[in-house]
Amino acid sequence: DAEITQSPRHKITETGRQVTLACHQTWNHNNMFWYRQDLGHGLRLIHYSYGVQDTNKGEVSDGYSVSRSNTEDLPLTLESAASSQTSVYFCASGAYGTGELFFGEGSRLTVL
Amino acid sequence: AQSVTQLGSHVSVSEGALVLLRCNYSSSVPPYLFWYVQYPNQGLQLLLKYTTGATLVKGINGFEAEFKKSETSFHLTKPSAHMSDAAEYFCAVSFSNDYKLSFGAGTTVTVRA
Repeated sequence: DAEITQSPRHKITETGRQVTLACHQTWNHNNMFWYRQDLGHGLRLIHYSYGVQDTNKGEVSDGYSVSRSNTEDLPLTLESAASSQTSVYFCASGAYGTGELFFGEGSRLTVL
Repeated sequence: AQSVTQLGSHVSVSEGALVLLRCNYSSSVPPYLFWYVQYPNQGLQLLLKYTTGATLVKGINGFEAEFKKSETSFHLTKPSAHMSDAAEYFCAVSFSNDYKLSFGAGTTVTVRA
């Protein structure tokens, strides 16, 4: 069955370190998204991509970057982790025409 | 810019009672509207969506929602709550099918036996 997987599921890091969260989907979807989930804020869009070599900033993109070298993967990089980036991160993908997004199970990141 | 407001961050219902979760949006153009559910330690799962056509939308697990343009609302209901409905529910909106979902803050539902 097609799926979307995130790794690692849990990570603890220190302030200033670079962190990369992986997202891999086998739906063959063109659209991929990264959200962060914080209490009281719901999910906020960090970055998104509509296809290979396409990346766009969302509403909370500062301190994050993404790259899209193939259809299946959209890794999220925190260049220099900050305590404010402690959160649960969700990757999602979707196909054109349906409006529906499929979500991974999330990556819980703690920055000490 | 669009926004989504969910009224009530926490709703408690008795098993068998009506579940009503409120969602209002702000938009100057017709939206696409979604309800997602999140069970503990899991990702989000689509409950139902409205894009065009019939304004009463039925979803999985007995949930339904009605799009009311005049009230800019998309409230979620279920006639009879089950213990398995305990979860967090998110209303979301997007426009012109660009898939950039904007989410509400979420409503946590607890079900009392």
